Amino acid sequence: SQTIHQWPATLVQPVGSPLSLECTVEGTSNPNLYWYRQAAGRGLQLLFYSVGIGQISSEVPQNLSASRPQDRQFILSSKKLLLSDSGFYLCAWSRLYNEQFFGPGTRLTVL
Amino acid sequence: GESVGLHLPTLSVQEGDNSIINCAYSNSASDYFIWYKQESGKGPQFIIDIRSNMDKRQGQRVTVLLNKTVKHLSLQIAATQPGDSAVYFCAETPNQGAQKLVFGQGTRLTINP
Repeated sequence: SQTIHQWPATLVQPVGSPLSLECTVEGTSNPNLYWYRQAAGRGLQLLFYSVGIGQISSEVPQNLSASRPQDRQFILSSKKLLLSDSGFYLCAWSRLYNEQFFGPGTRLTVL
Repeated sequence: GESVGLHLPTLSVQEGDNSIINCAYSNSASDYFIWYKQESGKGPQFIIDIRSNMDKRQGQRVTVLLNKTVKHLSLQIAATQPGDSAVYFCAETPNQGAQKLVFGQGTRLTINP
């Protein structure tokens, strides 16, 4: 069966510090991968998605970047965090044209 | 379309009653729809999906109805239980071949004992 992992589960970072969140998927190959951000009490905002290694589509201009160095690994990064980067970050995977499966999320607080 | 900045609407029902959660979509080209359940502090969980060539699909205690004429999607939960308390999101693929989902704003369902 397929599983998706995210770490860390929680993170508190100062403004201006770098960020690296990691997501890995097991039990499938060549998945589509997604990064979302969710503010408290709000909906899901798609940040990036990837249909293959090295292929990244950005949905919103922002302070963040994404990379896919391996087939089942998706990384969300920032060189300098802003207060507005605080939120709940969710990684998801899907097969072509099917439902997305979400990871447990990372709660990021930027102080 | 996406409503990531809006406060969630809420729905309160008595335990044991049926719940109906509604979702309107704007893109007539959308051909695949999903309902997700998100409990506090967790990632969304898939509940049920439906493709545009259907108007109804049933799962365990849940039914999804799709009305393409008025671009409306609903999730019916039978005999709601305390464990059904969560935020429910609808999602759609914006067009055939799209490899991403567009999420609705979500509805917070609260079950009263």
